Amino acid sequence: KAGVTQTPRYLIKTRGQQVTLSCSPISGHRSVSWYQQTPGQGLQFLFEYFSETQRNKGNFPGRFSGRQFSNSRSEMNVSTLELGDSALYLCASSLERGPNEKLFFGSGTQLSVL
Amino acid sequence: AQSVTQPDIHITVSEGASLELRCNYSYGATPYLFWYVQSPGQGLQLLLKYFSGDTLVQGIKGFEAEFKRSQSSFNLRKPSVHWSDAAEYFCAVGAQGSNTGKLIFGQGTTLQVKP
Repeated sequence: KAGVTQTPRYLIKTRGQQVTLSCSPISGHRSVSWYQQTPGQGLQFLFEYFSETQRNKGNFPGRFSGRQFSNSRSEMNVSTLELGDSALYLCASSLERGPNEKLFFGSGTQLSVL
Repeated sequence: AQSVTQPDIHITVSEGASLELRCNYSYGATPYLFWYVQSPGQGLQLLLKYFSGDTLVQGIKGFEAEFKRSQSSFNLRKPSVHWSDAAEYFCAVGAQGSNTGKLIFGQGTTLQVKP
């Protein structure tokens, strides 16, 4: 079974631009979560999707948004990029929702904002 | 509010030596606790998890962790470290509320292994 696939692997953008990151979960997994990882703030929860609906959202500005498609693939979008958005964005999938579910992480998309 | 503290930012041990990584959590009820490992340029891999029952949990790669409610701790241990264990280790707690997979992570501990 293929793991969680995130594309692109690396991305360089300039301030003010917008970016879309993609995540393909493990086949059969219905829940997708996104995390931002930075050296200063560590791993922070962005949002969680299940059955095409956002079920939970972290403490991030409205510039960060996402969606999930009927095949469970997910995208996250960041508009009006700021330097502080430079980070590794990790996607994780699980079979179902719930705090006892095992999360499978992708390798992430490394976003650099210049 | 839930929180996780990993007091050691960086630890260096010699290959073959024992390892203990500390994790303290703050949570109002019985927590769901996890340890993840991240190799450079990679995502996170689950080492082990605790939900209930036996407080000593066995994981992959020879790791184990012990849940101590009285100390609000969930320390990760390994009796003999291998060079391939060098990585960053994250302790995490499952967030309050039902039906959510949101995790609160600690800041991580970087493990360096000396030959």
